[in-house]
Amino acid sequence: GAGVSQTPSNKVTEKGKYVELRCDPISGHTALYWYRQSLGQGPEFLIYFQGTGAADDSGLPNDRFFAVRPEGSVSTLKIQRTERGDSAVYLCASSPGLAAYNEQFFGPGTRLTVL
Amino acid sequence: AQSVTQLDSHVSVSEGTPVLLRCNYSSSYSPSLFWYVQHPNKGLQLLLKYTSAATLVKGINGFEAEFKKSETSFHLTKPSAHMSDAAEYFCVVSPSRGSQGNLIFGKGTKLSVKP
Repeated sequence: GAGVSQTPSNKVTEKGKYVELRCDPISGHTALYWYRQSLGQGPEFLIYFQGTGAADDSGLPNDRFFAVRPEGSVSTLKIQRTERGDSAVYLCASSPGLAAYNEQFFGPGTRLTVL
Repeated sequence: AQSVTQLDSHVSVSEGTPVLLRCNYSSSYSPSLFWYVQHPNKGLQLLLKYTSAATLVKGINGFEAEFKKSETSFHLTKPSAHMSDAAEYFCVVSPSRGSQGNLIFGKGTKLSVKP
């Protein structure tokens, strides 16, 4: 079956521009997570959703970052006024629920480069 | 606060020899612990998870890990390395056993396998 998909796979933008990154979770998965992986580091949590609502957005670095999941399926991570430090791979994951025994299934990521 | 420390950034073994990737954790609660693998240009994949009583956890591809509360360790092992095991491995902690919430990743250990 289809896994988690993310689009675009690569995004190059200029400093100060606005970008949107999309995540399509596995069908039926109610929980959706966003992580950011900088070069040479492990992924860092940004935000997660249970259904349509953001259950925890404590990992968002500042108010330039925002994410939505209006219908409880597809999610969009939005970054305003991009900075060079935002360059990273943005990972999305989904799981059937929030219980610890549920595996998070990761997408291939979107590589964002801010020039 | 919860954290994981992967003690080696890079491990190199010969094909057919044992693999040991070390991880120590810090958690205020009884944690859930995971190992994920990331092959080049592929998404993160769950190798194994510890969420309950069984301290020796078996995962995919012959990997296993032992939860040692007294040592706060969760080292990953495999008796005999294959070339296909070459990848980046992440030790991961989830803050509580009850729900996943955000996963906290270590910085990763790159495993190289020599012919």
